[in-house]
Amino acid sequence: GQQVMQIPQYQHVQEGEDFTTYCNSSTTLSNIQWYKQRPGGHPVFLIQLVKSGEVKKQKRLTFQFGEAKKNSSLHITATQTTDVGTYFCAGRSNDYKLSFGAGTTVTVRA
Amino acid sequence: EPEVTQTPSHQVTQMGQEVILRCVPISNHLYFYWYRQILGQKVEFLVSFYNNEISEKSEIFDDQFSVERPDGSNFTLKIRSTKLEDSAMYFCASMVGTYNEQFFGPGTRLTVL
Repeated sequence: GQQVMQIPQYQHVQEGEDFTTYCNSSTTLSNIQWYKQRPGGHPVFLIQLVKSGEVKKQKRLTFQFGEAKKNSSLHITATQTTDVGTYFCAGRSNDYKLSFGAGTTVTVRA
Repeated sequence: EPEVTQTPSHQVTQMGQEVILRCVPISNHLYFYWYRQILGQKVEFLVSFYNNEISEKSEIFDDQFSVERPDGSNFTLKIRSTKLEDSAMYFCASMVGTYNEQFFGPGTRLTVL
């Protein structure tokens, strides 16, 4: 079955620094979504990427979908304490199922 | 803003007991999902539901699990005979159509003793 792998599992970042989390699928995806889960909270949708090579930005967050539609990345610049949480990618290969990666848990040192 | 709601927020049960977790999806959504998240681990897909039937289920969703949409608003997950390893956070999610985002409910924390 489809597997979505995400690295790193943990990211400890100094406030103000940049970091990137990576997502790789074992199969070609129709689209990929990114979610953020704050500690004790539920996943909240951030963005969806559909086209090969697509790049989208949300303020300090840059999302990229690979040319082969099998990988994706999330890059955060100038990390802030509000960025704390777990970032999940979720790949869709058919109409009905999202396969979540294991998530990257981000902590920020002030 | 419309949101997915779930009840109860926390359910404690004895091993072997049946539990029903309830969800009210967003009213105009057509696709419904259950996920579980064991503490500190990733979100795992359980089942998707569309057009009053299961559209896909994972290997976790065995005969002990069932889902229902008994009326136009509720979406339930039943676990017939709970096991210790069923202890987890269970999230309901709904989606208006394919290729849209999923909206997650706040979750039900299930503790099996």
